[in-house]
Amino acid sequence: ELKVEQNPLFLSMQEGKNYTIYCNYSTTSDRLYWYRQDPGKSLESLFVLLSNGAVKQEGRLMASLDTKARLSTLHITAAVHDLSATYFCARNAGNMLTFGGGTRLMVKP
Amino acid sequence: GAVVSQHPSRVICKSGTSVKIECRSLDFQATTMFWYRQFPKQSLMLMATSNEGSKATYEQGVEKDKFLINHASLTLSTLTVTSAHPEDSSFYICSARTDLGYEQYFGPGTRLTVT
Repeated sequence: ELKVEQNPLFLSMQEGKNYTIYCNYSTTSDRLYWYRQDPGKSLESLFVLLSNGAVKQEGRLMASLDTKARLSTLHITAAVHDLSATYFCARNAGNMLTFGGGTRLMVKP
Repeated sequence: GAVVSQHPSRVICKSGTSVKIECRSLDFQATTMFWYRQFPKQSLMLMATSNEGSKATYEQGVEKDKFLINHASLTLSTLTVTSAHPEDSSFYICSARTDLGYEQYFGPGTRLTVT
């Protein structure tokens, strides 16, 4: 059974600071996704990582994948308030996505 | 492209009544659709997977007689919550994928409140 664990579950940080969210998964599978969810809203796709060593960047967010360590990271650079949201990683096993528990990020001025 | 809609976005119903939620893929044919449930401050939990024209596959612990799923066409799946109770109050999110890839496209979600 594929298990996906994120940490931390809650992150409060100051604007301008850097931080990393970690996503560990238990078994090998095809690809790793990162999503953003704003309160009361559905999921917004951020990144899809397909292979070992994959790195993708969009603005202040950078995601990477290490399949040997079964680890993906989402790095936040110089955080701004607009990044406040809940971030989920997910890994697929065949048809299905298994989600991590989510990291609720709060960026304070 | 790859837009998924859900209707209604919010619904309030009384205990004992049934509620139907629609999930539509607007610009692609969805061979597979997924229904998720999300409680406040929790992650998404897969309820069931449906393929067009066949019966849905439910996850362990999900009552198939309570959560009726129909995937009658390549662009529409419906979830009917029968005899709703307050504990069914939740955020229901559908997603859809084609048979060409693994990516799931998520709908905007439906907030169900049972009073």
